[in-house]
Amino acid sequence: VQLQQWGAGLLKPSETLSLTCAVYGGSFTDYYWSWIRQPPGGGLEWIGEINHRGSTNYNPSLKSRVTISLDTSKNQFSLQLTSVTAADTAVYYCARSTVTIPWGNWGQGTLVTVSS
Amino acid sequence: DIVMTQSPDSLAVSLGERATINCKSSQSVLFSSNNKNYLGWYQQKTGQPPKLLIYWASTRDSGVPDRFSGSGSGTDFTLTISSLQAEDVAIYYCQQFYSTPFTFGPGTRVDIK
Repeated sequence: VQLQQWGAGLLKPSETLSLTCAVYGGSFTDYYWSWIRQPPGGGLEWIGEINHRGSTNYNPSLKSRVTISLDTSKNQFSLQLTSVTAADTAVYYCARSTVTIPWGNWGQGTLVTVSS
Repeated sequence: DIVMTQSPDSLAVSLGERATINCKSSQSVLFSSNNKNYLGWYQQKTGQPPKLLIYWASTRDSGVPDRFSGSGSGTDFTLTISSLQAEDVAIYYCQQFYSTPFTFGPGTRVDIK
């Protein structure tokens, strides 16, 4: 399976971050689809996940601003993060896991920079 | 949230020597229903996404060399590289997938001495 992601790389404060991840070579069933981010030179932060039924879990630290959605007809899932600030500057990754096995497949990463 | 800590922050090991990284979780990540520790280890090289090395604390992911091994249970875990190779230079992260929000350790940088 391959995950390929895309989206805008430069945003202004208060704008909405929008990223999409396409899944090639695998189905959506029986997997969880996550977004994870990493600020420059920093550690990894799990943003949230969605399963094939559309059920979501979000990190409480971001929950008020995050929406993860699914388009099974296109084998894609998406991330929206509203009201971004400079603190949201990071490389954003999409990734696949199962209920019991963590993220064995990752997208290539997208650097999103928030700057006025 | 389960807080993950790692030690050391960084280490330098000679080629062919052993590297050991420790990870501690603020609460147990042992799932009693299947007796599995929901603890993973990742390797991240510069400019690349993390790569899953080990899950369930000690199960190597497909294709991972057997010089990488994981051990531990409950709250204390260890990643061992038995014979360090040049391509093992990276940052290593532990991560719990026992409960949301899933959390990572701060990482341990491994270099060649």
